[in-house]
Amino acid sequence: DQQVKQNSPSLSVQEGRISILNCDYTNSMFDYFLWYKKYPAEGPTFLISISSIKDKNEDGRFTVFLNKSAKHLSLHIVPSQPGDSAVYFCAASPYNFNKFYFGSGTKLNVKP
Amino acid sequence: DTAVSQTPKYLVTQMGNDKSIKCEQNLGHDTMYWYKQDSKKFLKIMFSYNNKELIINETVPNRFSPKSPDKAHLNLHINSLELGDSAVYFCASSPSGSNQPQHFGDGTRLSIL
Repeated sequence: DQQVKQNSPSLSVQEGRISILNCDYTNSMFDYFLWYKKYPAEGPTFLISISSIKDKNEDGRFTVFLNKSAKHLSLHIVPSQPGDSAVYFCAASPYNFNKFYFGSGTKLNVKP
Repeated sequence: DTAVSQTPKYLVTQMGNDKSIKCEQNLGHDTMYWYKQDSKKFLKIMFSYNNKELIINETVPNRFSPKSPDKAHLNLHINSLELGDSAVYFCASSPSGSNQPQHFGDGTRLSIL
């Protein structure tokens, strides 16, 4: 029973365009959400987070949107760059507990 | 300087053997974790220690035993390895408290022959 789902295993985008990665969750107790980026043969690297009291958080080219009623979050990357090509993992944690549930990842390919 | 380092990076061994994976972090974090990434690519938490005390212990066979000699180290020992143990194991660390992103090592790919 996967509580965090990333239904698109892969996404291909042209350089300069927007990349939108999606994530759905089932547990209404989830309160804190993160996106990680992972290159081959490396560990995941923290990218951006959002808490449930917000619906948007922005950091440079990266913006995370949270829709609590739909139990959905998305990561927007604009403009996309070839160096953004990696696997992106969504993760969620219940309130006041640093235990994260991860999705299966979406492999983003940004074409030059 | 590597923040979270785990050794070895690759581990190939036979069924029934006992093996250990070591993890060290130099970030001064109080909390450390072990995750398993299975063939479906999900990262699933196995254990978490805070200041050498076990705080998360998921449904993991008791062949897996974590050991934290100090808050900078969290090792994973696996007894009687089985084919299903083949996976990538990631160590991570974070500051104490909730809403703390975790810093991951580069993983140990364990292959059971």
